[in-house]
Amino acid sequence: DVKVTQSSRYLVKRTGEKVFLECVQDMDHENMFWYRQDPGLGLRLIYFSYDVKMKEKGDIPEGYSVSREKKERFSLILESASTNQTSMYLCASSDRGDSDIQYFGAGTRLSVL
Amino acid sequence: GQNIDQPTEMTATEGAIVQINCTYQTSGFNGLFWYQQHAGEAPTFLSYNVLDGLEEKGRFSSFLSRSKGYSYLLLKELQMKDSASYLCAVENQGGKLIFGQGTELSVKP
Repeated sequence: DVKVTQSSRYLVKRTGEKVFLECVQDMDHENMFWYRQDPGLGLRLIYFSYDVKMKEKGDIPEGYSVSREKKERFSLILESASTNQTSMYLCASSDRGDSDIQYFGAGTRLSVL
Repeated sequence: GQNIDQPTEMTATEGAIVQINCTYQTSGFNGLFWYQQHAGEAPTFLSYNVLDGLEEKGRFSSFLSRSKGYSYLLLKELQMKDSASYLCAVENQGGKLIFGQGTELSVKP
């Protein structure tokens, strides 16, 4: 079974803090993705990566950055957290040759106060 | 623009059949996915359609019409555990997914 693990289920941070959300997958997948999920808006793509050291902006990259130093790990960084970044964050990974099926982690619910 | 529409909520009875519709308008199309998401859990893959027609997988089936920009997910013999959110997603160029806002299905006894 594919396993995508997100380091925290719940996080509470203060406005202006630097926040790191970590995601690790154990299936040697090339592709990794970060989404946020908000009521009424569905999942929206923040950033994605098709290979180590590589990153591409998704639909809503403002206020976020990412790091992919190793194939199995994809980190989402909020340089200076703001209240409008309170959300559920979901990480996903996919294998380039497997019909692009994305496998998701359980999510991190971030509250910025 | 890119738009994926699905109903916000649906209610059905245990043992019945329910059809969840999804219409899309996207700048590219490589396939359509359906995911299931229980409250507080990760979305899990249900089905993937590339060609027109019906794909059946146990109690769940998914249909695609590319010319109409339309898909549906059919759930038969509904069980209480099928209460969840169902997400429709279109795969764009480069393997990126564009998601609809999800349909919250409530199954009642």
